[in-house]
Amino acid sequence: GAGVSQSPSNKVTEKGKDVELRCDPISGHTALYWYRQSLGQGLEFLIYFQGNSAPDKSGLPSDRFSAERTGGSVSTLTIQRTQQEDSAVYLCATLQRNTGELFFGEGSRLTVL
Amino acid sequence: QQQVKQSPQSLIVQKGGIPIINCAYENTAFDYFPWYQQFPGKGPALLIAIRPDVSEKKEGRFTISFNKSAKQFSLHIMDSQPGDSATYFCAASPGTYKYIFGTGTRLKVLA
Repeated sequence: GAGVSQSPSNKVTEKGKDVELRCDPISGHTALYWYRQSLGQGLEFLIYFQGNSAPDKSGLPSDRFSAERTGGSVSTLTIQRTQQEDSAVYLCATLQRNTGELFFGEGSRLTVL
Repeated sequence: QQQVKQSPQSLIVQKGGIPIINCAYENTAFDYFPWYQQFPGKGPALLIAIRPDVSEKKEGRFTISFNKSAKQFSLHIMDSQPGDSATYFCAASPGTYKYIFGTGTRLKVLA
């Protein structure tokens, strides 16, 4: 596609439920990131995928968070047993290597009640 | 050492004013300094970027000033317009895949 596509754009869930957030990257962009943006806060790095290399999971805040990237394309961020503090906008981005530019999706806004 | 400190947190200027947003870093390995602009409900988008071999870069009304010795860089918006109202993030990268973002500045330009 023309840009990074994320779904759902909005998700409201109850505390304790699991959620899955999806990212469709720009074709040809092999590097993919997930960031979290809490209200009024900056961009918190969660995880990075590059090709077939082991992902950098150093930003995942707890073992309730996991992500995978199938076939080097679509990525899914899963949050298990959601908590209210997980409420945030989850942003996916891909990297254009020759310029260093990150292309962000519009994000998935998660609200945990 | 991995932090990028951004200020101010918010900024209000009149139309035509020149808002200035400042960022400071510690890690001398950083060699790429982009600024991202984010409108409400949208993802951040690259606005302008600089590498440390130059002290200034201009693109339209947007200018980055870079002070390598002070480890600081700033964004200036000339002749600001209400359409520039957005959140601005500075970032730094050591030339790897790591990007460290500042905490953001919410800019409002009054008509």
